[in-house]
Amino acid sequence: DGGITQSPKYLFRKEGQNVTLSCEQNLNHDAMYWYRQDPGQGLRLIYYSQIVNDFQKGDIAEGYSVSREKKESFPLTVTSAQKNPTAFYLCASSIIGTTGELFFGEGSRLTVL
Amino acid sequence: AQSVTQLGSHVSVSEGALVLLRCNYSSSVPPYLFWYVQYPNQGLQLLLKYTTGATLVKGINGFEAEFKKSETSFHLTKPSAHMSDAAEYFCAVTNTNAGKSTFGDGTTLTVKP
Repeated sequence: DGGITQSPKYLFRKEGQNVTLSCEQNLNHDAMYWYRQDPGQGLRLIYYSQIVNDFQKGDIAEGYSVSREKKESFPLTVTSAQKNPTAFYLCASSIIGTTGELFFGEGSRLTVL
Repeated sequence: AQSVTQLGSHVSVSEGALVLLRCNYSSSVPPYLFWYVQYPNQGLQLLLKYTTGATLVKGINGFEAEFKKSETSFHLTKPSAHMSDAAEYFCAVTNTNAGKSTFGDGTTLTVKP
């Protein structure tokens, strides 16, 4: 079955450490996105990419980095510069030039100890 | 610019009662509108979407929504709530030019037996 796979599901990190969240899709979608979800704040866009080797900052990119070396993969690194990284992170993909419907992974919950 | 406002962060209904979740949007271009549902610790999945054509849209699990341009609304309804409908619901608007989605803050639906 086609879909989006995020890993790990749960991740614990000490302050000052960088962590990388994996996102892989086999839907052959061109566009991929990373969202951050905090209680009562909906989803906020961190980064997005519409083509390999190109990506754009979203609304809350500070303290995060991404890469898009392959169409299928869009990993997110949460750096030590992110002041409040504890959150639920969602990866999504979509087909460019259509309605913008998003297909989501199951999410990764990051907790900073 | 685009934005979404979901009225009521928490809605509680009795099993068998009408479900009404409110969503108002603003968009400078004709919008595509979506409702997504999220169960605890999971990703979002599409309930229904409005793109063009018929303004009353039917989705999965008996939900429907009506696009009212004059009121800039896209409220979600279900005639009879079921316990399994308890979840968080997000309204989203996509800019047809840029392809990015903007989400509301979400509404948590509780269904009482």
